[in-house]
Amino acid sequence: GAVVSQHPSWVICKSGTSVKIECRSLDFQATTMFWYRQFPKQSLMLMATSNEGSKATYEQGVEKDKFLINHASLTLSTLTVTSAHPEDSSFYICSARKQGRGNTEAFFGQGTRLTVV
Amino acid sequence: KQEVTQIPAALSVPEGENLVLNCSFTDSAIYNLQWFRQDPGKGLTSLLLIQSSQREQTSGRLNASLDKSSGRSTLYIAASQPGDSATYLCAGTQGGSEKLVFGKGTKLTVNP
Repeated sequence: GAVVSQHPSWVICKSGTSVKIECRSLDFQATTMFWYRQFPKQSLMLMATSNEGSKATYEQGVEKDKFLINHASLTLSTLTVTSAHPEDSSFYICSARKQGRGNTEAFFGQGTRLTVV
Repeated sequence: KQEVTQIPAALSVPEGENLVLNCSFTDSAIYNLQWFRQDPGKGLTSLLLIQSSQREQTSGRLNASLDKSSGRSTLYIAASQPGDSATYLCAGTQGGSEKLVFGKGTKLTVNP
């Protein structure tokens, strides 16, 4: 398999502040990473697709100015939740695919539990 | 819009039992299909990947199959163990897209 590391695993922040979540592929290069949000007892909802060296592609209904995504290298993507509010509290998970033809398996980070108080 | 249904939503079985989890897609044109395991408060662990040219994959006590004509997949777990207790998610991509569309999962409890 492959390892995707997500940091932090949990964070509590005050309303109005910003929080940055990192997603790293530790043993492979990922041209594309994905950010998901998961509500309790619900499935994963894709928020955006992060492409190395270019702007992220956001899913319909996801505010790009609120959820800032940066994919500066082939092993690191970051999600910044800006001006967080309690309704942003959720479980955020990233995933990455190995670069290269035929490599289609997606690997996931351990997730970040965000609580906004 | 692709939607994924997983049945049952929850399943409780005694240790040692063989079991089947089901997953169906509204659009049967599935390119790749993955089964994942998620423990409470954790990320996803990839269990099996069925690529576009494949119909079945096996890993240890796990076997997954995909019927592309109907858009249905099953995950078979043999000789279940308490450590298998988790939520199992299926997800698929469609041709030309890397996006995974997920079901809501089946919460499995294996009782000692």
